[in-house]
Amino acid sequence: NAGVTQTPKFQVLKTGQSMTLQCAQDMNHEYMSWYRQDPGMGLRLIHYSVGAGITDQGEVPNGYNVSRSTTEDFPLRLLSAAPSQTSVYFCASSKTGQAKNIQYFGAGTRLSVL
Amino acid sequence: AQSVTQLDSQVPVFEEAPVELRCNYSSSVSVYLFWYVQYPNQGLQLLLKYLSGSTLVKGINGFEAEFNKSQTSFHLRKPSVHISDTAEYFCAVSLTGGGNKLTFGTGTQLKVEL
Repeated sequence: NAGVTQTPKFQVLKTGQSMTLQCAQDMNHEYMSWYRQDPGMGLRLIHYSVGAGITDQGEVPNGYNVSRSTTEDFPLRLLSAAPSQTSVYFCASSKTGQAKNIQYFGAGTRLSVL
Repeated sequence: AQSVTQLDSQVPVFEEAPVELRCNYSSSVSVYLFWYVQYPNQGLQLLLKYLSGSTLVKGINGFEAEFNKSQTSFHLRKPSVHISDTAEYFCAVSLTGGGNKLTFGTGTQLKVEL
């Protein structure tokens, strides 16, 4: 049982480059989300999805796009990377969008933008 | 809007000593409360959660937390820590009627020393 899988684990980009962070889960979870983790700031919600075809913005959505074409996958796109997007990104999933559900996290993608 | 405060950014403790990691929250509506642990270079995993009922909640690895509504606190405790407990600990809340969007504290780094 793989759980939540994120690729790549590490990435270095130049300012202005684009890339997609991949997230896949094999638990048939309806709810998926992306967080970024910065020192001294905890984790902040970027975007989330309550099911295939449905996405919404979180606390810090600017500079990021998402789509949810399947239940399993929830990619995060950086259209034009900026140094302020240097961070550790975590994808999470839970069975449904109910507040009491446990969220399961991937191992993270460490992104540096130069 | 809800918020979570973890006043201690770092807590050093000797092995086999007790430890308490503090968490206070602010919300105008009822919340669910969670503690997550992040081991070095890994994603987050759930330690324990409070949804309703008994205010003393037991989790994995011998940790427990007590929900105190009057003090809006959810402090995490362990009577005797081990070297393997060295990790970063995050307190988080979600609104009971607000979907599965977690608001995290800034984290507490627990360092267990011999």
